[in-house]
Amino acid sequence: DVVMTQSPLSLPVTLGQPASISCRSSQGLVYSDGNTYLNWFQQRPGRSPRRLLYQVSNRDSGVPDRFSGSGSGTDFTLKISRVEAEDVAIYYCMQGTHWPYTFGQGTKLEIK
Amino acid sequence: EVQLVESGGGLVQPGRSLRLSCTTSGFTFDDYAMSWVRQAPGKGLEWVGFIRIKTYGETTDYAASVKGRFTISRDDYRNIAYLQMNSLKTEDTGVYYCIRGRQWPDYWGQGTLVTVSS
Repeated sequence: DVVMTQSPLSLPVTLGQPASISCRSSQGLVYSDGNTYLNWFQQRPGRSPRRLLYQVSNRDSGVPDRFSGSGSGTDFTLKISRVEAEDVAIYYCMQGTHWPYTFGQGTKLEIK
Repeated sequence: EVQLVESGGGLVQPGRSLRLSCTTSGFTFDDYAMSWVRQAPGKGLEWVGFIRIKTYGETTDYAASVKGRFTISRDDYRNIAYLQMNSLKTEDTGVYYCIRGRQWPDYWGQGTLVTVSS
């Protein structure tokens, strides 16, 4: 199985400051159709996960533009340009290239 | 508005069966693969499996941990996806989410809690 390794696992951030989460995969994530199926999800406390970004860097409708994604190959990053209180959540990366699809362990973002 | 609503969760003894339903609305159900993901209490997310659309034979894939015990099916007339869970184990306990899509899944249901305990 492809192992998705996130870091850090805990991320205390001051309001208004940037935040960055790394996600590394144990194998390359380019699919046979040329796409890279690396997605990011946000799970707020007590809620279902919500997709933020798909195929590395495509932001979902309604997602603030302070969220951005980048990366290629086996190394990917989620960035939040200025953290707001509503961003308190656990963030997961997920690969949809190799079955079984797998998630990272999750990164818990909290306000410092 | 896309909606996915899971039902059928509850308390069940080890070795018994349970069937979860995912009732959907707001999109053309038969155009989408449907997936199930679970989350053990206080833990991360784990794929259970998915079912492709009729064009691809409604074929399924499962995680090794549930293969041979769980079965995913779909009813394109009623816009419902199902997760039949047999021979349940205590480690199957968790919230089960129904999801639209598979490789870049977008919409999630609210989840239904399955507790396997004697």
